[in-house]
Amino acid sequence: EAGVTQFPSHSVIEKGQTVTLRCDPISGHDNLYWYRRVMGKEIKFLLHFVKESKQDESGMPNNRFLAERTGGTYSTLKVQPAELEDSGVYFCASSPVEQTYNEQFFGPGTRLTVL
Amino acid sequence: AQTVTQSQPEMSVQEAETVTLSCTYDTSENNYYLFWYKQPPSRQMILVIRQEAYKQQNATENRFSVNFQKAAKSFSLKISDSQLGDTAMYFCAPLPLNYGGSQGNLIFGKGTKLSVKP
Repeated sequence: EAGVTQFPSHSVIEKGQTVTLRCDPISGHDNLYWYRRVMGKEIKFLLHFVKESKQDESGMPNNRFLAERTGGTYSTLKVQPAELEDSGVYFCASSPVEQTYNEQFFGPGTRLTVL
Repeated sequence: AQTVTQSQPEMSVQEAETVTLSCTYDTSENNYYLFWYKQPPSRQMILVIRQEAYKQQNATENRFSVNFQKAAKSFSLKISDSQLGDTAMYFCAPLPLNYGGSQGNLIFGKGTKLSVKP
Protein backbone atom coordinates (compact mmCIF):
# COMPACT_ATOMS: atom_id res chain seq x y z
CA GLU A 1 0.00 0.00 0.00
CA ALA A 2 1.38 3.40 -1.00
CA GLY A 3 2.05 5.89 1.76
CA VAL A 4 1.31 9.60 1.83
CA THR A 5 3.02 11.34 -1.04
CA GLN A 6 3.81 15.01 -1.54
CA PHE A 7 4.87 16.97 -4.57
CA PRO A 8 7.20 18.68 -5.14
CA SER A 9 9.88 17.61 -2.69
CA HIS A 10 11.58 20.98 -3.00
CA SER A 11 10.47 24.33 -4.33
CA VAL A 12 12.48 27.53 -4.62
CA ILE A 13 10.56 30.63 -5.60
CA GLU A 14 10.92 34.39 -5.52
CA LYS A 15 9.01 36.55 -3.10
CA GLY A 16 5.68 37.49 -4.62
CA GLN A 17 5.34 34.36 -6.74
CA THR A 18 2.74 31.65 -6.33
CA VAL A 19 3.41 28.06 -5.34
CA THR A 20 1.06 25.10 -5.11
CA LEU A 21 1.89 22.08 -2.98
CA ARG A 22 0.13 18.78 -3.43
CA CYS A 23 -0.59 15.94 -1.04
CA ASP A 24 -1.95 12.52 -1.91
CA PRO A 25 -3.15 10.74 1.23
CA ILE A 26 -3.31 7.02 1.78
CA SER A 27 -6.27 5.64 -0.14
CA GLY A 28 -9.39 5.55 2.02
CA HIS A 29 -8.12 8.05 4.59
CA ASP A 30 -10.77 10.72 5.03
CA ASN A 31 -8.72 12.80 7.50
CA LEU A 32 -6.07 14.96 5.88
CA TYR A 33 -3.86 17.41 7.75
CA TRP A 34 -1.39 20.07 6.74
CA TYR A 35 1.45 21.06 9.10
CA ARG A 36 4.41 23.38 8.68
CA ARG A 37 7.84 23.56 10.26
CA VAL A 38 9.66 26.84 10.06
CA MET A 39 13.38 26.47 10.72
CA GLY A 40 14.21 26.25 14.41
CA LYS A 41 10.60 26.19 15.50
CA GLU A 42 7.94 23.64 16.29
CA ILE A 43 5.89 21.86 13.69
CA LYS A 44 2.64 23.79 13.59
CA PHE A 45 -0.80 22.67 12.54
CA LEU A 46 -2.32 24.49 9.56
CA LEU A 47 -5.61 22.80 8.79
CA HIS A 48 -7.63 19.60 8.83
CA PHE A 49 -9.94 18.18 6.17
CA VAL A 50 -12.51 15.47 6.67
CA LYS A 51 -13.19 14.31 3.14
CA GLU A 52 -13.64 17.54 1.18
CA SER A 53 -14.76 19.66 4.15
CA LYS A 54 -12.50 21.88 6.22
CA GLN A 55 -12.91 20.61 9.77
CA ASP A 56 -10.46 23.06 11.33
CA GLU A 57 -8.47 25.80 9.62
CA SER A 58 -7.49 27.68 12.75
CA GLY A 59 -3.79 27.26 12.04
CA MET A 60 -3.76 28.93 8.64
CA PRO A 61 -1.48 31.96 9.05
CA ASN A 62 -3.31 34.40 6.76
CA ASN A 63 -5.39 34.67 3.62
CA ARG A 64 -2.39 34.16 1.36
CA PHE A 65 -2.81 30.47 2.04
CA LEU A 66 -5.58 28.53 0.33
CA ALA A 67 -6.16 24.81 0.80
CA GLU A 68 -8.51 22.67 -1.21
CA ARG A 69 -9.49 19.05 -1.31
CA THR A 70 -11.89 18.65 -4.19
CA GLY A 71 -13.56 15.26 -4.27
CA GLY A 72 -12.09 14.31 -0.95
CA THR A 73 -8.97 12.72 -2.40
CA TYR A 74 -5.77 14.72 -2.90
CA SER A 75 -5.28 18.17 -1.44
CA THR A 76 -3.48 21.28 -2.61
CA LEU A 77 -2.07 24.13 -0.59
CA LYS A 78 -1.49 27.32 -2.54
CA VAL A 79 0.54 30.24 -1.28
CA GLN A 80 -0.11 33.46 -3.16
CA PRO A 81 1.82 35.71 -3.03
CA ALA A 82 4.67 34.00 -1.19
CA GLU A 83 6.61 35.91 1.45
CA LEU A 84 10.03 35.21 2.95
CA GLU A 85 8.51 33.97 6.22
CA ASP A 86 6.63 31.25 4.36
CA SER A 87 9.87 29.29 3.94
CA GLY A 88 9.84 25.98 5.74
CA VAL A 89 8.88 22.36 5.38
CA TYR A 90 5.22 21.62 4.73
CA PHE A 91 4.01 18.22 5.90
CA CYS A 92 0.85 16.43 5.02
CA ALA A 93 -0.62 13.62 7.10
CA SER A 94 -3.64 11.38 6.74
CA SER A 95 -5.62 8.97 8.87
CA PRO A 96 -8.85 7.00 8.71
CA VAL A 97 -11.86 8.54 10.40
CA GLU A 98 -12.69 5.24 12.05
CA GLN A 99 -9.54 4.29 13.86
CA THR A 100 -8.89 3.03 17.34
CA TYR A 101 -5.43 4.45 17.86
CA ASN A 102 -5.60 7.78 16.03
CA GLU A 103 -2.24 7.43 14.29
CA GLN A 104 -1.51 9.99 11.62
CA PHE A 105 0.65 8.89 8.68
CA PHE A 106 3.00 11.52 7.37
CA GLY A 107 4.32 12.34 3.94
CA PRO A 108 7.98 13.23 3.30
CA GLY A 109 7.26 16.96 3.25
CA THR A 110 7.81 19.74 0.74
CA ARG A 111 10.70 22.07 1.48
CA LEU A 112 9.72 25.56 0.36
CA THR A 113 12.32 28.29 0.04
CA VAL A 114 11.18 31.82 -0.70
CA LEU A 115 14.00 34.15 -1.83
CA ALA B 1 -2.35 27.82 24.45
CA GLN B 2 -1.37 24.19 24.28
CA THR B 3 2.38 23.72 24.34
CA VAL B 4 4.95 20.94 24.30
CA THR B 5 8.44 21.31 25.74
CA GLN B 6 11.31 19.06 24.77
CA SER B 7 14.15 20.42 26.85
CA GLN B 8 16.97 18.52 25.13
CA PRO B 9 17.61 19.93 21.64
CA GLU B 10 20.35 17.36 20.98
CA MET B 11 21.48 14.14 22.61
CA SER B 12 23.94 11.44 21.81
CA VAL B 13 24.26 7.88 23.04
CA GLN B 14 26.62 5.00 22.43
CA GLU B 15 25.32 2.03 20.54
CA ALA B 16 23.71 -0.58 22.85
CA GLU B 17 23.22 1.91 25.68
CA THR B 18 20.00 3.38 27.02
CA VAL B 19 18.81 6.95 26.54
CA THR B 20 15.79 8.88 27.81
CA LEU B 21 14.21 11.79 25.98
CA SER B 22 12.10 14.15 28.04
CA CYS B 23 8.81 15.83 27.19
CA THR B 24 6.35 17.91 29.14
CA TYR B 25 3.12 19.25 27.75
CA ASP B 26 0.33 21.56 28.68
CA THR B 27 -3.19 20.82 27.54
CA SER B 28 -6.53 21.67 29.06
CA GLU B 29 -8.17 18.68 27.42
CA ASN B 30 -9.05 15.65 29.51
CA ASN B 31 -9.26 13.24 26.62
CA TYR B 32 -6.15 12.85 24.54
CA TYR B 33 -3.49 10.52 23.19
CA LEU B 34 0.26 11.01 23.35
CA PHE B 35 2.70 10.05 20.63
CA TRP B 36 6.38 9.93 19.95
CA TYR B 37 7.28 10.27 16.29
CA LYS B 38 10.74 9.99 14.78
CA GLN B 39 12.09 11.48 11.57
CA PRO B 40 15.31 9.83 10.36
CA PRO B 41 17.61 11.96 8.21
CA SER B 42 16.03 12.66 4.80
CA ARG B 43 13.13 10.36 5.53
CA GLN B 44 9.54 10.83 6.57
CA MET B 45 8.16 10.91 10.05
CA ILE B 46 6.99 7.62 11.50
CA LEU B 47 5.25 6.63 14.69
CA VAL B 48 7.43 5.22 17.47
CA ILE B 49 4.95 4.66 20.28
CA ARG B 50 1.54 5.82 21.49
CA GLN B 51 -0.11 6.18 24.90
CA GLU B 52 -3.75 6.67 25.78
CA ALA B 53 -4.02 9.29 28.50
CA TYR B 54 -6.74 7.37 30.32
CA LYS B 55 -4.45 4.35 30.76
CA GLN B 56 -2.13 4.32 33.74
CA GLN B 57 0.04 1.53 32.39
CA ASN B 58 3.04 2.80 30.45
CA ALA B 59 3.18 1.79 26.80
CA THR B 60 6.00 -0.44 25.57
CA GLU B 61 6.98 -1.28 22.02
CA ASN B 62 10.02 -3.55 21.80
CA ARG B 63 13.05 -1.43 22.77
CA PHE B 64 10.92 1.69 23.23
CA SER B 65 8.97 2.52 26.37
CA VAL B 66 7.44 5.58 27.92
CA ASN B 67 7.18 6.99 31.41
CA PHE B 68 3.81 8.72 31.50
CA GLN B 69 3.08 10.89 34.53
CA LYS B 70 -0.35 12.37 33.88
CA ALA B 71 -0.52 14.68 36.91
CA ALA B 72 2.87 16.13 36.04
CA LYS B 73 2.03 16.17 32.31
CA SER B 74 5.26 14.40 31.56
CA PHE B 75 5.80 11.86 28.80
CA SER B 76 9.39 10.69 28.43
CA LEU B 77 10.69 8.14 25.93
CA LYS B 78 13.26 5.50 26.85
CA ILE B 79 15.21 3.74 24.15
CA SER B 80 17.01 0.62 25.30
CA ASP B 81 19.85 -1.09 23.46
CA SER B 82 20.22 1.87 21.12
CA GLN B 83 20.94 1.05 17.49
CA LEU B 84 22.52 3.13 14.73
CA GLY B 85 19.15 3.20 12.98
CA ASP B 86 17.66 5.05 15.94
CA THR B 87 19.52 8.18 14.85
CA ALA B 88 16.73 10.65 14.09
CA MET B 89 14.81 13.68 15.20
CA TYR B 90 12.27 12.69 17.85
CA PHE B 91 9.05 14.59 18.37
CA CYS B 92 6.69 14.39 21.31
CA ALA B 93 3.11 15.13 20.25
CA PRO B 94 -0.13 15.12 22.23
CA LEU B 95 -3.33 14.66 20.24
CA PRO B 96 -6.37 16.15 21.97
CA LEU B 97 -9.61 14.48 21.01
CA ASN B 98 -12.56 16.64 20.11
CA TYR B 99 -15.99 16.32 21.63
CA GLY B 100 -17.29 12.93 20.65
CA GLY B 101 -13.81 11.52 20.38
CA SER B 102 -12.98 12.66 16.88
CA GLN B 103 -9.41 13.56 16.07
CA GLY B 104 -7.98 16.96 16.65
CA ASN B 105 -4.54 17.96 15.45
CA LEU B 106 -1.15 16.95 16.80
CA ILE B 107 0.74 19.49 18.91
CA PHE B 108 4.48 19.20 18.46
CA GLY B 109 7.52 20.11 20.48
CA LYS B 110 10.68 21.43 18.80
CA GLY B 111 12.15 17.95 18.77
CA THR B 112 15.25 16.26 20.11
CA LYS B 113 18.00 15.32 17.69
CA LEU B 114 19.36 11.95 18.78
CA SER B 115 22.65 10.63 17.47
CA VAL B 116 23.61 7.03 18.15
CA LYS B 117 27.37 6.57 17.95
CA PRO B 118 29.14 3.29 17.14
